[in-house]
Amino acid sequence: GAGVSQSPSNKVTEKGKDVELRCDPISGHTALYWYRQSLGQGLEFLIYFQGNSAPDKSGLPSDRFSAERTGGSVSTLTIQRTQQEDSAVYLCASSFGVEQPQHFGDGTRLSIL
Amino acid sequence: EDKVVQSPLSLVVHEGDTVTLNCSYEVTNFRSLLWYKQEKKAPTFLFMLTSSGIEKKSGRLSSILDKKELFSILNITATQTGDSAIYLCAVYSGGSNYKLTFGKGTLLTVNP
Repeated sequence: GAGVSQSPSNKVTEKGKDVELRCDPISGHTALYWYRQSLGQGLEFLIYFQGNSAPDKSGLPSDRFSAERTGGSVSTLTIQRTQQEDSAVYLCASSFGVEQPQHFGDGTRLSIL
Repeated sequence: EDKVVQSPLSLVVHEGDTVTLNCSYEVTNFRSLLWYKQEKKAPTFLFMLTSSGIEKKSGRLSSILDKKELFSILNITATQTGDSAIYLCAVYSGGSNYKLTFGKGTLLTVNP
């Protein structure tokens, strides 16, 4: 597609369950990013991929969070044993290279009951 | 810690008004500043500024950067209801040429 595609658009799950969020970047974009947006907060950086490698995972809030990228394209963000504080909108972005404008998907709204 | 502060937090205007949104930053090794518009879902890219004093313009929107005073402004002239959105400012800085540090945004509401 023309833009960054994320799925699902909404996810409601019970506390303690695992969730997997998917991001399909713009074709040809080598850099991919995950951010989290909570009510009243700015966008919070989680992780960055260059190709399939993640040089910076420093933004991941805890070891319950992990992410991978395969084939230099699709990325998945996995949250294990979800907690209520994980409720947020998870945004994925991609760019043609570093220090370039990042283009965002519509996000996945995650709600933990 | 890098910091990006936007003001005002929210603003209500009437169609046709001109608005100025502010973004100040305190970061190590500034690289560039970006503006985004967020309506319902995805933030959409507006401008990227790297040099002081050079205005970027797109239709009724324009932006300028002052690297000495560490701020940027986003101007919108002849506002329309479709300009209603959250406007986000973000900075590339420090040793990172990939991580954007975002402000909390300005919520602009344009009433007919």
